[in-house]
Amino acid sequence: GENVEQHPSTLSVQEGDSAVIKCTYSDSASNYFPWYKQELGKRPQLIIDIRSNVGEKKDQRIAVTLNKTAKHFSLHITETQPEDSAVYFCAAHRSGYSSASKIIFGSGTRLSIRP
Amino acid sequence: NAGVTQTPKFQVLKTGQSMTLQCAQDMNHNSMYWYRQDPGMGLRLIYYSASEGTTDKGEVPNGYNVSRLNKREFSLRLESAAPSQTSVYFCASSRTGDYTEAFFGQGTRLTVV
Repeated sequence: GENVEQHPSTLSVQEGDSAVIKCTYSDSASNYFPWYKQELGKRPQLIIDIRSNVGEKKDQRIAVTLNKTAKHFSLHITETQPEDSAVYFCAAHRSGYSSASKIIFGSGTRLSIRP
Repeated sequence: NAGVTQTPKFQVLKTGQSMTLQCAQDMNHNSMYWYRQDPGMGLRLIYYSASEGTTDKGEVPNGYNVSRLNKREFSLRLESAAPSQTSVYFCASSRTGDYTEAFFGQGTRLTVV
């Protein structure tokens, strides 16, 4: 079945440094790759996403890259700030079809920003 | 516009008891999902629904049943709760046929003793 692997499970970086979280997916029909941020005690919320026809997308300090051939996608956060501390989830999804499909999430990365 | 609303927020059950977690969305979404979140395990899909009257199993459906009562509501039932079902449960919804995000409810923290 579909599977999404996410690494690392925990990540600690110095404030101002960059953080990178990596995911791989197994379903070659997946075409939509969102990233969610979950702050402590709150619900996950979308921070950035990428479609399979795009190799890279950037939004201010965050960017996502996709390698369809290798079935890899990554989240990059530059100039990290204390408010970036949270759990981050990647997901893979078959989107754009007429019927619902599973949204499969990775196991999450707990990012801590050291002052 | 409340988004996705789950009830209750907290619940303690004894082993063997049953309960239903309620979820409702007011965004006119066709697709709805139930996830459980355990430490180090991420969000695991229990069941999902493409539309009223249709449901499909996710990654971890055993021990659960669901009902898509109408377009707005998607409930999750535990018939005989077990300690292994202690978790935080999230309901989510999204549009079907579009590259759009899933919106989550605030979660239900369930403890089975």
